Amino acid sequence: QVQLKETGPGLVQPTQTLSITCTVSGFSLTSYYMQWVRQTPGKGLEWMGFIRSGGSTEYNSEFKSRLSISRDTSKNQVFLKMNSLKTEDTGVYYCARGYFDFWGPGTMVTVSS
Amino acid sequence: DVVLTQTPPTLSATIGQSVSISCRSSQSLLHSNGNTYLHWLLQRPGQSPQLLIYLVSRLESGVPNRFSGSGSGTDFTLKISGVEAEDLGVYYCVQGTHAHTFGAGTKLELK
Repeated sequence: QVQLKETGPGLVQPTQTLSITCTVSGFSLTSYYMQWVRQTPGKGLEWMGFIRSGGSTEYNSEFKSRLSISRDTSKNQVFLKMNSLKTEDTGVYYCARGYFDFWGPGTMVTVSS
Repeated sequence: DVVLTQTPPTLSATIGQSVSISCRSSQSLLHSNGNTYLHWLLQRPGQSPQLLIYLVSRLESGVPNRFSGSGSGTDFTLKISGVEAEDLGVYYCVQGTHAHTFGAGTKLELK
């Protein structure tokens, strides 16, 4: 069956880089878009960006300068990297498939010194 | 950027009552390919969001048919025909025609 799971660092210091991995099973990354969404107390659900089935990416302009999404299809993994973290980036980070039909459980990220 | 405005922000209902949630877009969500990329999600407390309706009115597999979606252009509605206890949570509309944007959510609670 389709499963997604995010793995993240938990705690990140301000100005540092956040790296999260989404590991999927039950489908191929070459057949579906993969989305990244975060949920913060200040802004609710925010779309961050996606990687298409062909590997190209699109980002929310609010994050564009500091966000990168990539993947390793051989490992069924999608990666989110965001630099220059601020305390406002604290929240739950989710990966989701395509039209948001499957979601991971999310990974909580706290930005604090 | 496209802004999605959901109303009401909070909805109180009794079990069995029918309710509707509105989602209005600042721009038409009709894509040049003929599709309208407007979807509805439910986030129950402590859980990830789940897809209820996609492409305005298509019921996601496994979702009860008391949920229905309608609308076009800039105005969309999610209807629940007979609220059940498991329907409580926060409902979000999300558009995918112009990048992606989420609405602010509508919290459905028991009266």
